[in-house]
Amino acid sequence: KAGVTQTPRYLIKTRGQQVTLSCSPISGHRSVSWYQQTPGQGLQFLFEYFSETQRNKGNFPGRFSGRQFSNSRSEMNVSTLELGDSALYLCASSFRDRGTDTQYFGPGTRLTVL
Amino acid sequence: AQSVTQLGSHVSVSEGALVLLRCNYSSSVPPYLFWYVQYPNQGLQLLLKYTSAATLVKGINGFEAEFKKSETSFHLTKPSAHMSDAAEYFCAVSGGGSSNTGKLIFGQGTTLQVKP
Repeated sequence: KAGVTQTPRYLIKTRGQQVTLSCSPISGHRSVSWYQQTPGQGLQFLFEYFSETQRNKGNFPGRFSGRQFSNSRSEMNVSTLELGDSALYLCASSFRDRGTDTQYFGPGTRLTVL
Repeated sequence: AQSVTQLGSHVSVSEGALVLLRCNYSSSVPPYLFWYVQYPNQGLQLLLKYTSAATLVKGINGFEAEFKKSETSFHLTKPSAHMSDAAEYFCAVSGGGSSNTGKLIFGQGTTLQVKP
């Protein structure tokens, strides 16, 4: 099976702009989660979507949003970008196995905000 | 609330030596625990996971971890380090159940250096 794919891999934006990142999960996986990785804060959970519904949400401002389509592909959007939004954004898709979801990660999108 | 603490942000070993990366967790529900590895400019790769089936879990690339409830630990070990093991390692916990399975709480990571 093909792994999780994320596009684009690299992105440069300026403050105040908005950005949309895309994630295609492993075939058959219905859950997609998003994480932000920064040197200072480490890996932080943004949100999770399952069957087109947000199932969990992390502690991020409303500028961060996401959605999931009927084919399980997901997008996340960040509006009014700030310098602190510069990070590696990781997407993970998962399936249920023995009571919990096992998450498989994509390569990430490196966002730089200038 | 769940949390994970990785003891030691940097660990250095010689090639062929034992690798031991420490992880302690806090969870109010039976935890599901994971170890991931991240190579430079890449995403996270699953090494192994604990789901209560067995306390000693074997993963890929010769890694294994032992779940010790009394010590709330899930340390990662490998008998003999290889140069290719140099990377950053993350311990993570999820709560399981129907409402919390898609959310992983990560430790701060441990960078493993392997010296020739």
